Amino acid sequence: DSGVTQTPKHLITATGQRVTLRCSPRSGDLSVYWYQQSLDQGLQFLIQYYNGEERAKGNILERFSAQQFPDLHSELNLSSLELGDSALYFCASSGAGSSPLHFGNGTRLTVT
Amino acid sequence: ILNVEQSPQSLHVQEGDSTNFTCSFPSSNFYALHWYRWETAKSPEALFVMTLNGDEKKKGRISATLNTKEGYSYLYIKGSQPEDSATYLCAPWMDSSYKLIFGSGTRLLVRP
Repeated sequence: DSGVTQTPKHLITATGQRVTLRCSPRSGDLSVYWYQQSLDQGLQFLIQYYNGEERAKGNILERFSAQQFPDLHSELNLSSLELGDSALYFCASSGAGSSPLHFGNGTRLTVT
Repeated sequence: ILNVEQSPQSLHVQEGDSTNFTCSFPSSNFYALHWYRWETAKSPEALFVMTLNGDEKKKGRISATLNTKEGYSYLYIKGSQPEDSATYLCAPWMDSSYKLIFGSGTRLLVRP
């Protein structure tokens, strides 16, 4: 158990809808990362937060947004969903500096 | 765009074989290099975080070396076992960037 909790595990929704994915980091970790894994693709970096502040942005679509709250949990909001947004979304947390990432179990999003 | 290359893309070996794979990354502005193991239907798990040129890390039958001057790292598995079957990912962390960009991975299959 990595200590990182992601909810929900599965999400099925229709095109055009909006969903929110939630991540609770490991106790004590201030950094939260979001990654997307589409079919047969690797892990694509979306965004990173540190102690409530956005620190780095990857190839995150404008339809997607995220935030990290004072209690350090994070949410990834996906709107105007398209079929191509179907993927496994991972959250990971880490401690300071070059600490390793601890991954949650992921949220599998299916857009129909 | 950070160019991270892993080779080979996939590898099939017999139980007991030793094997190694490569991660290449830009040598300038290097900060740290992460290795992860990602088993099917699970989440990536950290193997090593390496920071210094010439670093060698070992965990059981798995070891890794780092050359920051030329921008590569090798991962070695001695006496491969079927349970070593997984995708092995590397991710360099470049200074002044808080992005951890993963390579596409090397998929290892160990046949009994």
